[in-house]
Amino acid sequence: EAGVVQSPRYKIIEKKQPVAFWCNPISGHNTLYWYRQNLGQGPELLIRYENEEAVDDSQLPKDRFSAERLKGVDSTLKIQPAELGDSAVYLCASSLGRANTEAFFGQGTRLTVV
Amino acid sequence: TQLLEQSPQFLSIQEGENLTVYCNSSSVFSSLQWYRQEPGEGPVLLVTVVTGGEVKKLKRLTFQFGDARKDSSLHITAAQPGDTGLYLCAGSDNFGNEKLTFGTGTRLTIIP
Repeated sequence: EAGVVQSPRYKIIEKKQPVAFWCNPISGHNTLYWYRQNLGQGPELLIRYENEEAVDDSQLPKDRFSAERLKGVDSTLKIQPAELGDSAVYLCASSLGRANTEAFFGQGTRLTVV
Repeated sequence: TQLLEQSPQFLSIQEGENLTVYCNSSSVFSSLQWYRQEPGEGPVLLVTVVTGGEVKKLKRLTFQFGDARKDSSLHITAAQPGDTGLYLCAGSDNFGNEKLTFGTGTRLTIIP
Protein backbone atom coordinates (compact mmCIF):
# COMPACT_ATOMS: atom_id res chain seq x y z
CA GLU A 1 0.00 0.00 0.00
CA ALA A 2 1.32 3.42 -0.93
CA GLY A 3 2.20 5.76 1.89
CA VAL A 4 1.70 9.49 2.02
CA VAL A 5 2.96 11.02 -1.21
CA GLN A 6 4.22 14.57 -1.44
CA SER A 7 5.51 16.59 -4.34
CA PRO A 8 7.77 18.19 -5.20
CA ARG A 9 10.64 16.90 -3.01
CA TYR A 10 12.62 20.09 -3.42
CA LYS A 11 11.73 23.62 -4.49
CA ILE A 12 13.91 26.70 -4.83
CA ILE A 13 12.19 30.01 -5.50
CA GLU A 14 12.94 33.68 -5.27
CA LYS A 15 11.28 35.70 -2.55
CA LYS A 16 7.91 37.18 -3.43
CA GLN A 17 7.16 34.30 -5.80
CA PRO A 18 4.28 31.87 -5.21
CA VAL A 19 4.78 28.19 -4.45
CA ALA A 20 2.47 25.21 -4.00
CA PHE A 21 2.90 21.82 -2.38
CA TRP A 22 0.77 18.76 -3.00
CA CYS A 23 -0.07 15.84 -0.74
CA ASN A 24 -1.90 12.58 -1.30
CA PRO A 25 -2.68 10.87 2.01
CA ILE A 26 -3.09 7.19 2.72
CA SER A 27 -6.37 5.90 1.35
CA GLY A 28 -9.07 5.88 4.00
CA HIS A 29 -7.34 8.35 6.31
CA ASN A 30 -9.77 11.06 7.32
CA THR A 31 -7.31 13.37 9.05
CA LEU A 32 -4.66 15.28 7.12
CA TYR A 33 -2.00 17.50 8.67
CA TRP A 34 0.40 20.03 7.21
CA TYR A 35 3.45 20.71 9.36
CA ARG A 36 6.45 22.98 8.92
CA GLN A 37 9.80 21.82 10.24
CA ASN A 38 12.94 23.88 10.65
CA LEU A 39 16.28 22.15 10.73
CA GLY A 40 16.79 20.06 13.86
CA GLN A 41 13.47 21.04 15.39
CA GLY A 42 10.13 19.36 15.85
CA PRO A 43 7.35 19.81 13.29
CA GLU A 44 4.95 22.69 13.92
CA LEU A 45 1.33 22.29 12.90
CA LEU A 46 0.06 24.62 10.21
CA ILE A 47 -3.36 23.16 9.52
CA ARG A 48 -5.37 20.01 10.25
CA TYR A 49 -8.25 18.68 8.17
CA GLU A 50 -10.97 16.25 9.13
CA ASN A 51 -12.18 15.10 5.73
CA GLU A 52 -12.64 18.33 3.76
CA GLU A 53 -13.06 20.58 6.79
CA ALA A 54 -10.17 22.60 8.20
CA VAL A 55 -10.70 22.06 11.93
CA ASP A 56 -7.50 23.71 13.19
CA ASP A 57 -5.78 26.46 11.22
CA SER A 58 -4.86 28.67 14.15
CA GLN A 59 -1.13 28.46 13.34
CA LEU A 60 -1.51 29.12 9.61
CA PRO A 61 -0.24 32.59 8.59
CA LYS A 62 -3.35 33.43 6.64
CA ASP A 63 -1.99 36.57 5.07
CA ARG A 64 0.22 34.49 2.79
CA PHE A 65 -0.61 30.83 3.34
CA SER A 66 -3.65 28.98 2.09
CA ALA A 67 -4.65 25.35 1.92
CA GLU A 68 -7.43 23.26 0.54
CA ARG A 69 -8.55 19.67 0.65
CA LEU A 70 -11.23 19.35 -1.95
CA LYS A 71 -13.29 16.15 -1.78
CA GLY A 72 -11.51 15.23 1.44
CA VAL A 73 -8.66 13.38 -0.22
CA ASP A 74 -5.54 15.11 -1.52
CA SER A 75 -4.51 18.55 -0.41
CA THR A 76 -2.50 21.53 -1.54
CA LEU A 77 -0.67 24.12 0.53
CA LYS A 78 0.18 27.43 -1.09
CA ILE A 79 2.39 30.33 -0.12
CA GLN A 80 1.99 33.65 -1.89
CA PRO A 81 4.19 35.60 -1.75
CA ALA A 82 7.05 33.59 -0.25
CA GLU A 83 9.47 35.20 2.20
CA LEU A 84 13.01 34.23 3.14
CA GLY A 85 11.78 32.97 6.52
CA ASP A 86 9.51 30.44 4.84
CA SER A 87 12.51 28.26 4.01
CA ALA A 88 11.84 24.95 5.77
CA VAL A 89 10.63 21.41 5.18
CA TYR A 90 6.87 21.15 4.71
CA LEU A 91 5.54 17.80 5.89
CA CYS A 92 2.18 16.27 5.15
CA ALA A 93 0.82 13.51 7.37
CA SER A 94 -2.40 11.55 7.61
CA SER A 95 -4.13 9.45 10.23
CA LEU A 96 -7.29 7.43 10.44
CA GLY A 97 -8.93 10.02 12.69
CA ARG A 98 -11.84 9.23 15.00
CA ALA A 99 -9.51 9.30 18.04
CA ASN A 100 -6.68 7.51 16.21
CA THR A 101 -3.93 10.09 15.79
CA GLU A 102 -1.07 7.79 14.79
CA ALA A 103 0.35 9.80 11.95
CA PHE A 104 2.04 8.62 8.79
CA PHE A 105 4.26 11.17 7.11
CA GLY A 106 5.35 11.87 3.59
CA GLN A 107 8.98 12.59 2.78
CA GLY A 108 8.34 16.30 2.85
CA THR A 109 9.06 19.18 0.51
CA ARG A 110 12.23 21.13 1.21
CA LEU A 111 11.60 24.76 0.31
CA THR A 112 14.42 27.21 -0.13
CA VAL A 113 13.54 30.86 -0.66
CA VAL A 114 16.40 32.97 -2.00
CA THR B 1 -0.81 26.16 23.75
CA GLN B 2 0.50 22.73 24.66
CA LEU B 3 4.28 22.61 24.81
CA LEU B 4 6.38 19.46 24.83
CA GLU B 5 9.96 20.00 25.89
CA GLN B 6 12.49 17.31 25.10
CA SER B 7 15.85 16.84 26.75
CA PRO B 8 18.58 16.66 25.95
CA GLN B 9 18.42 18.57 22.68
CA PHE B 10 21.57 16.86 21.43
CA LEU B 11 23.18 13.62 22.55
CA SER B 12 26.29 11.95 21.20
CA ILE B 13 27.43 8.68 22.75
CA GLN B 14 29.57 5.66 21.97
CA GLU B 15 28.12 2.48 20.54
CA GLY B 16 27.10 0.09 23.29
CA GLU B 17 26.19 2.75 25.86
CA ASN B 18 22.73 3.30 27.30
CA LEU B 19 20.77 6.53 27.11
CA THR B 20 17.47 8.12 28.11
CA VAL B 21 15.56 10.88 26.36
CA TYR B 22 12.87 12.83 28.18
CA CYS B 23 9.67 14.49 27.03
CA ASN B 24 7.94 16.83 29.48
CA SER B 25 4.83 18.98 29.45
CA SER B 26 2.54 20.78 31.85
CA SER B 27 -0.43 19.50 29.86
CA VAL B 28 -2.19 16.16 30.13
CA PHE B 29 -2.34 14.09 26.97
CA SER B 30 -4.73 11.29 26.11
CA SER B 31 -1.87 9.47 24.42
CA LEU B 32 1.74 10.06 23.54
CA GLN B 33 3.71 8.87 20.54
CA TRP B 34 7.40 8.58 19.78
CA TYR B 35 8.78 9.02 16.28
CA ARG B 36 12.23 8.71 14.75
CA GLN B 37 13.23 10.83 11.80
CA GLU B 38 16.22 10.34 9.54
CA PRO B 39 17.67 13.05 7.27
CA GLY B 40 15.55 13.73 4.21
CA GLU B 41 12.65 11.63 5.45
CA GLY B 42 9.46 12.20 7.38
CA PRO B 43 9.08 11.03 10.99
CA VAL B 44 8.25 7.34 11.44
CA LEU B 45 6.06 6.19 14.31
CA LEU B 46 7.80 3.94 16.85
CA VAL B 47 5.19 3.51 19.57
CA THR B 48 2.03 4.90 21.15
CA VAL B 49 1.44 4.89 24.90
CA VAL B 50 -2.01 5.51 26.25
CA THR B 51 -2.30 4.58 29.91
CA GLY B 52 -0.59 6.48 32.73
CA GLY B 53 2.43 4.47 33.91
CA GLU B 54 2.40 2.31 30.81
CA VAL B 55 5.69 0.76 29.69
CA LYS B 56 6.25 -0.56 26.17
CA LYS B 57 9.32 -2.27 24.82
CA LEU B 58 10.47 -2.38 21.22
CA LYS B 59 13.63 -4.52 21.09
CA ARG B 60 16.28 -2.35 22.80
CA LEU B 61 13.94 0.64 23.19
CA THR B 62 11.80 1.08 26.31
CA PHE B 63 9.08 3.72 26.39
CA GLN B 64 7.29 4.89 29.52
CA PHE B 65 4.29 7.17 29.94
CA GLY B 66 4.19 9.16 33.19
CA ASP B 67 1.54 8.35 35.75
CA ALA B 68 -0.09 11.75 35.24
CA ARG B 69 0.19 11.46 31.42
CA LYS B 70 2.21 14.67 31.23
CA ASP B 71 5.62 13.21 30.49
CA SER B 72 7.37 10.29 28.86
CA SER B 73 10.79 8.77 28.51
CA LEU B 74 12.61 6.71 25.93
CA HIS B 75 15.46 4.49 27.08
CA ILE B 76 17.80 2.81 24.62
CA THR B 77 19.98 -0.06 25.78
CA ALA B 78 23.28 -0.83 24.07
CA ALA B 79 22.91 1.88 21.45
CA GLN B 80 23.91 1.08 17.87
CA PRO B 81 24.83 3.37 14.97
CA GLY B 82 21.48 2.55 13.38
CA ASP B 83 19.77 4.31 16.28
CA THR B 84 21.13 7.63 15.06
CA GLY B 85 18.37 10.11 14.21
CA LEU B 86 16.03 12.79 15.46
CA TYR B 87 13.69 11.46 18.13
CA LEU B 88 10.37 13.25 18.51
CA CYS B 89 7.64 12.84 21.05
CA ALA B 90 4.13 13.91 20.13
CA GLY B 91 1.15 14.36 22.40
CA SER B 92 -2.36 13.74 21.31
CA ASP B 93 -5.20 15.69 22.81
CA ASN B 94 -8.27 13.85 21.69
CA PHE B 95 -10.48 14.93 24.47
CA GLY B 96 -12.76 16.03 21.67
CA ASN B 97 -9.86 17.63 19.80
CA GLU B 98 -7.62 15.28 17.84
CA LYS B 99 -4.61 17.54 17.78
CA LEU B 100 -1.10 16.09 17.54
CA THR B 101 1.57 18.37 19.00
CA PHE B 102 5.25 17.58 18.56
CA GLY B 103 8.09 18.07 20.98
CA THR B 104 11.26 20.03 20.35
CA GLY B 105 13.23 16.92 19.35
CA THR B 106 16.41 15.14 20.48
CA ARG B 107 19.14 14.62 17.93
CA LEU B 108 20.94 11.40 18.79
CA THR B 109 24.29 10.40 17.31
CA ILE B 110 25.80 7.01 18.03
CA ILE B 111 29.53 6.87 17.41
CA PRO B 112 30.82 3.50 16.16
